[in-house]
Amino acid sequence: DSGVTQTPKHLITATGQRVTLRCSPRSGDLSVYWYQQSLDQGLQFLIQYYNGEERAKGNILERFSAQQFPDLHSELNLSSLELGDSALYFCASSSRGLNTEAFFGQGTRLTVV
Amino acid sequence: SQQGEEDPQALSIQEGENATMNCSYKTSINNLQWYRQNSGRGLVHLILIRSNEREKHSGRLRVTLDTSKKSSSLLITASRAADTASYFCATDWFTGGGNKLTFGTGTQLKVEL
Repeated sequence: DSGVTQTPKHLITATGQRVTLRCSPRSGDLSVYWYQQSLDQGLQFLIQYYNGEERAKGNILERFSAQQFPDLHSELNLSSLELGDSALYFCASSSRGLNTEAFFGQGTRLTVV
Repeated sequence: SQQGEEDPQALSIQEGENATMNCSYKTSINNLQWYRQNSGRGLVHLILIRSNEREKHSGRLRVTLDTSKKSSSLLITASRAADTASYFCATDWFTGGGNKLTFGTGTQLKVEL
């Protein structure tokens, strides 16, 4: 158990809908990362938050947004969903400072039908 | 595009043999990390090597880093069937105030009895 909790584990929804994925980082970790893993794109970095502030952005679509709350949990919002958004979405957390490993949650499997 | 590219994409070996995976990356890094993923599950951190280190060991794992060639290798010695998984390298690098942990394309390792 990595200590990172993601909910829900599975999500099936229709095109055009909006969903929210939730992540609780390890106790004490200030950094949260979001990744999308699909068969054709591999593991894509979406965004990083540190103590509530956005710190780094990757290949995140404008239809997607994220935030980190004062209690450090994070949410990834996906809207106007398309079939191609079907993927595994992972959250990871790491502690403060350089040269620290990331701990991954078990992921949310999103299926858009 | 991915920061790291791994080679080979897939590797099949017999139990007891050694497995070597290579990773190349593009920019300056703080550190390079290797992760393991069992099918459809979260990634598990294996080892971290800092940019000023050249070699690191952890159990049956040996990682090398050549910053002049922007490449790293992961060696798993005396492989076991339980080592069957996908292995990813990840580069930790600064960008605009935050750090991105960007993953390679992965090597699928199959260890046969």
